[in-house]
Amino acid sequence: QLQLQESGPGLVKPSETLSLTCTVSGGSISSSSYYWGWIRQPPGKGLEWIGSIYYSGSTYYNPSLKSRVTISVDTSKNQFSLKLSSVTAADTAVYYCARSPMTTTVEVYWGQGTLVTVSS
Amino acid sequence: DIQMTQSPSSLSASVGDRVTITCRASQGISNYLAWYQQKPGKVPKLLIYAASTLQSGVPSRFSGSGSGTDFTLTISSLQPEDVATYYCQKYNSALWTFGQGTKVEIK
Repeated sequence: QLQLQESGPGLVKPSETLSLTCTVSGGSISSSSYYWGWIRQPPGKGLEWIGSIYYSGSTYYNPSLKSRVTISVDTSKNQFSLKLSSVTAADTAVYYCARSPMTTTVEVYWGQGTLVTVSS
Repeated sequence: DIQMTQSPSSLSASVGDRVTITCRASQGISNYLAWYQQKPGKVPKLLIYAASTLQSGVPSRFSGSGSGTDFTLTISSLQPEDVATYYCQKYNSALWTFGQGTKVEIK
């Protein structure tokens, strides 16, 4: 069964870089049939797409975050990662990794999420 | 970029009522549309994918319809446990977008 697990520091200082990794098990990140991405949800607010990556390394970012976001993939470890630079308190959120299919025969799949707090 | 407009932002209905939430895409997305239910402090739960496919284990009172730009989530008979916020998500490309959410309460 597919599992996505987010990992990384739960506390990041303002102006520093937030780094998270999503480890995929029960499926291959090298499949040509999926996009892998990051979503976040600040406390009490809605869901925001951060960016996505294809196994080949092609990346797609939310224009509102593009200048601060880097998403990368490591197919040898079956992982993909998020880096968000110059964080502020507004970046405090639950961060989710997810997989979306390129067909309509398979569901979208999410990890359980991890809370990242930006505070000194 | 394709925008997703979800309505209403909130609603209050009685137990047993039929509830409808709509999501409109600014451009056609075929049927690459998912619906989620989120309760406070919990991970969004997938209800519907591909616009109308019920995720395994989801009660049959939930249904989805639509294609192209206009989509609907229907709860055929609202239950107390359905109190939650509902979101739509388009995923027809690598650029995912979410609706603003609909908070459903019991009257």
